[in-house]
Amino acid sequence: GNSVTQMEGPVTLSEEAFLTINCTYTATGYPSLFWYVQYPGEGLQLLLKATKADDKGSNKGFEATYRKETTSFHLEKGSVQVSDSAVYFCALSGTGGYNKLIFGAGTRLAVHP
Amino acid sequence: GAVVSQHPSWVICKSGTSVKIECRSLDFQATTMFWYRQFPKQSLMLMATSNEGSKATYEQGVEKDKFLINHASLTLSTLTVTSAHPEDSSFYICSARPGTAGNTEAFFGQGTRLTVV
Repeated sequence: GNSVTQMEGPVTLSEEAFLTINCTYTATGYPSLFWYVQYPGEGLQLLLKATKADDKGSNKGFEATYRKETTSFHLEKGSVQVSDSAVYFCALSGTGGYNKLIFGAGTRLAVHP
Repeated sequence: GAVVSQHPSWVICKSGTSVKIECRSLDFQATTMFWYRQFPKQSLMLMATSNEGSKATYEQGVEKDKFLINHASLTLSTLTVTSAHPEDSSFYICSARPGTAGNTEAFFGQGTRLTVV
């Protein structure tokens, strides 16, 4: 079945450091890929998405490219801020069966001044 | 973006009682809603897919009789935890999509923290 694997956290960075959170997936067909973010005490929000191979999703300085050859969707940001501290979830949506979202384990990011 | 409202945001109940959690899409219709469970510092585990006007589709290992789902209208789905026990204590989250395509954004409720004592 479909699955998502994320790098384990927590990830601790200093402000303005470069961020990479790895995400790989297993799926049949051509899924859509998403990054969701959960700030402390809040629900999940969509950060970015890509719906086909080689698409790049971007938002708020974050980027991720849908790589079908490596089945990956790594999240990157060139310069993190303290306000980026949150839990980041990689997810995929299948091509059938109500298109349910399958989430990775989540990666907690802590950014220090 | 679209809004999904979940109620209550937290609830404490006694062991053996039942608890109902509501999930509403406020500004769009949702044929399908999803219910997740999130353990502390862990990911979201899909419990079931709620379908308007028909029976819910449960994931493997989720007890249908324990977690009753009703999707009575295009804007409301409810999850009832029946005969709750302390091990049912968790964070429950619902989500809905305005469309049915797999590439559309899912919107999430703010979650319900259930504590069974």
